[in-house]
Amino acid sequence: GENVEQHPSTLSVQEGDSAVIKCTYSDSASNYFPWYKQELGKGPQLIIDIRSNVGEKKDQRIAVTLNKTAKHFSLHITETQPEDSAVYFCAASKGSNYQLIWGAGTKLIIKP
Amino acid sequence: NAGVTQTPKFQVLKTGQSMTLQCAQDMNHNSMYWYRQDPGMGLRLIYYSASEGTTDKGEVPNGYNVSRLNKREFSLRLESAAPSQTSVYFCASSADTFSEQYFGPGTRLTVT
Repeated sequence: GENVEQHPSTLSVQEGDSAVIKCTYSDSASNYFPWYKQELGKGPQLIIDIRSNVGEKKDQRIAVTLNKTAKHFSLHITETQPEDSAVYFCAASKGSNYQLIWGAGTKLIIKP
Repeated sequence: NAGVTQTPKFQVLKTGQSMTLQCAQDMNHNSMYWYRQDPGMGLRLIYYSASEGTTDKGEVPNGYNVSRLNKREFSLRLESAAPSQTSVYFCASSADTFSEQYFGPGTRLTVT
């Protein structure tokens, strides 16, 4: 079945450095790719999303890139800050269906 | 504006007991979702409701039933709880498909 692989499972970076999280999807018909941030004890919150007709999208310190040919997309966070510490999830639509297939998550730790 | 609310926050059940998880949103959203989140895994969709009166099965519907009571409320029922249903359950809503999903704070359920 369709799946989304996410790497790494844990990422530790120095405050001020950049962080990159990568996801690979299997369904070539997927056309919507959101990224969510989950803080401890809370529900996930959308931070950025991209659709298949766009290769890159940026919002301040956060950017997402999409390579449809290789079926992978990445989250880039620049100038990391302590409040960026959280678990980040990527997801891909199940074809053109409303359902999202989620990655297993990346725990991002920002070291002071 | 409370967003998405869920009750209860915590629940312990014995195998075979039943319970209903409640979810309500005040954002006038059309679509609502129930997910489960297990350690080391991403979110998995249990059921989805595109609009009042309609429901669809997600990735893991077995052992669950749902009711879209009205536009605001979407409940999840476990008829005969099993230890495999120990998980954190999240309700979410969105204006429509392929738009941002807003999550509730979650219900932590333990089945012994």
